[in-house]
Amino acid sequence: GENVEQHPSTLSVQEGDSAVIKCTYSDSASNYFPWYKQELGKRPQLIIDIRSNVGEKKDQRIAVTLNKTAKHFSLHITETQPEDSAVYFCAAPGGGSQGNLIFGKGTKLSVKP
Amino acid sequence: GAGVSQSPSNKVTEKGKDVELRCDPISGHTALYWYRQRLGQGLEFLIYFQGNSAPDKSGLPSDRFSAERTGESVSTLTIQRTQQEDSAVYLCASSAGELFFGEGSRLTVL
Repeated sequence: GENVEQHPSTLSVQEGDSAVIKCTYSDSASNYFPWYKQELGKRPQLIIDIRSNVGEKKDQRIAVTLNKTAKHFSLHITETQPEDSAVYFCAAPGGGSQGNLIFGKGTKLSVKP
Repeated sequence: GAGVSQSPSNKVTEKGKDVELRCDPISGHTALYWYRQRLGQGLEFLIYFQGNSAPDKSGLPSDRFSAERTGESVSTLTIQRTQQEDSAVYLCASSAGELFFGEGSRLTVL
């Protein structure tokens, strides 16, 4: 089955700096890679996703890149703000297609004002 | 409904008792998922429904855990003879593409 590794587990940056979180996956058939943000005590919410037919996707200060050959994808947050502080989870399909999602262990991002 | 609804939001039970957690998915969402999140940990996949069938039950930790779904509607996750290690937030999500999570049911087993 799919195995998703996420690094780092914690990340602390100064407000305005960039933050990068990386994930690797094991199943080469996987074709959908979402990122979720979970604020303290709240539900995870989708912030951006990418499908395997593109290498990069941007949405304002957030971007995701995908390297299918190396089987890794990354979340990039530019001009970080204190409200970006949260736990971020990457995911990949457990069954190769968009069925159940297998999540990484999460990255706790702290943005210091 | 407007979002995924879960009940109860909090449940405290004694070790050995059975508990039932309920999930009301977004109307029209055919796929429904249960995840477990222990304190400060990641999202652990439990079970996935497509309609009322469960193609993937691989994440259920033991035979004390079971889940049902009626049609493309409500699902219940049942934990029998609860143990302290079952204490966690149980998150339900539904999908017609993107996964939408409920607020979760926080279970505390004393």
